Amino acid sequence: NAGVTQTPKFQVLKTGQSMTLQCAQDMNHEYMSWYRQDPGMGLRLIHYSVGAGITDQGEVPNGYNVSRSTTEDFPLRLLSAAPSQTSVYFCASSYRRGGFYEQFFGPGTRLTVL
Amino acid sequence: AQSVSQHNHHVILSEAASLELGCNYSYGGTVNLFWYVQYPGQHLQLLLKYFSGDPLVKGIKGFEAEFIKSKFSFNLRKPSVQWSDTAEYFCAVKGSQGNLIFGKGTKLSVKP
Repeated sequence: NAGVTQTPKFQVLKTGQSMTLQCAQDMNHEYMSWYRQDPGMGLRLIHYSVGAGITDQGEVPNGYNVSRSTTEDFPLRLLSAAPSQTSVYFCASSYRRGGFYEQFFGPGTRLTVL
Repeated sequence: AQSVSQHNHHVILSEAASLELGCNYSYGGTVNLFWYVQYPGQHLQLLLKYFSGDPLVKGIKGFEAEFIKSKFSFNLRKPSVQWSDTAEYFCAVKGSQGNLIFGKGTKLSVKP
């Protein structure tokens, strides 16, 4: 199993550009989520999905869109990049075992918006 | 709202010293608690987790944590740290959305 994969690893954007961060998992996990990590802030939830076709907002959803057309993929779209979106983005997937979620994280995408 | 507090922003220890990192959470229901570690330049890795049973949980690399319900705490401990333990440590609680709610992290620097 490859686990959770993310592409690209690094990206530099100019303000106003759009892009999609890719996330895929091969563990057949029903639950997937996106976090952003900023210094001194820990990780904060952007969006999450409990299954194909179902998405919902997390703590910091503004400026981001997601979709979940398949169990495996959960892309994160930046519609019009802003410097405040400079961050490290982690995708995670998890399975539910007796009401307990164990999350597996991808390697992250480091995004810089100029 | 659920939250997690980590008391120490940066801890500096010498090798062989004992470690205890504090974590308190606010959540009145059944809790699932986690400690993750992030080595420099890497992604998060699960150190240990608690969801029921023995409140003393043992994880990888000699780490352990104790769940004290009355204190809403889940402190991380290691009897003797090594230089390779230099990393950032995150405490987290499972949120109502199935996500993880993270503390702000504690950076551990171990001097050789």
